[in-house]
Amino acid sequence: DGGITQSPKYLFRKEGQNVTLSCEQNLNHDAMYWYRQDPGQGLRLIYYSQIVNDFQKGDIAEGYSVSREKKESFPLTVTSAQKNPTAFYLCASSIVAGEETQYFGPGTRLLVL
Amino acid sequence: EDQVTQSPEALRLQEGESSSLNCSYTVSGLRGLFWYRQDPGKGPEFLFTLYSAGEEKEKERLKATLTKKESFLHITAPKPEDSATYLCAVQVRSHGGSQGNLIFGKGTKLSVKP
Repeated sequence: DGGITQSPKYLFRKEGQNVTLSCEQNLNHDAMYWYRQDPGQGLRLIYYSQIVNDFQKGDIAEGYSVSREKKESFPLTVTSAQKNPTAFYLCASSIVAGEETQYFGPGTRLLVL
Repeated sequence: EDQVTQSPEALRLQEGESSSLNCSYTVSGLRGLFWYRQDPGKGPEFLFTLYSAGEEKEKERLKATLTKKESFLHITAPKPEDSATYLCAVQVRSHGGSQGNLIFGKGTKLSVKP
């Protein structure tokens, strides 16, 4: 089955620690996205990538970093500079950037110890 | 500033009681409007894309419509399994062929009681 997988489902971060969230897709989509979802707020774009080896900052990129070394993979690192990381993180992909529907993965919930 | 507003924030219906959810938008130029369903602790599930005023799309008990200022998600004779949060997002026309990112509303939480 084609789809988007995210791991882990739950992630715990200690103070000062960097953590990496995984996102993999086998849909052969060019574009991939990371969103953050907080209670009572709409989804907010962190980073997006239109093609391998290229990525752009979204609305709330501070404290986050990404890489896109393979078409299938778009990992998100939450760095220690992100002071309020507790949220539900969603990865999405689309056939091409800005043209097609975005499809979402199941999400990763990040909690701070 | 581009903005998407969904109303109501929460809606409680009895099974079989039809109603509508609203998504109003203020954007510089609409490329497309998207509806998603999200269950608790899960990622959003794609429902519909609408591109132009007057367009309608249906799927089972759901029907989405679009005008120049808003979209409605009509739910006919809902069942308890329709309970979820429904998200609306708009994609704005951008200049120079660059990325047209999605702007999401805060969602409407629908509860359908048997």
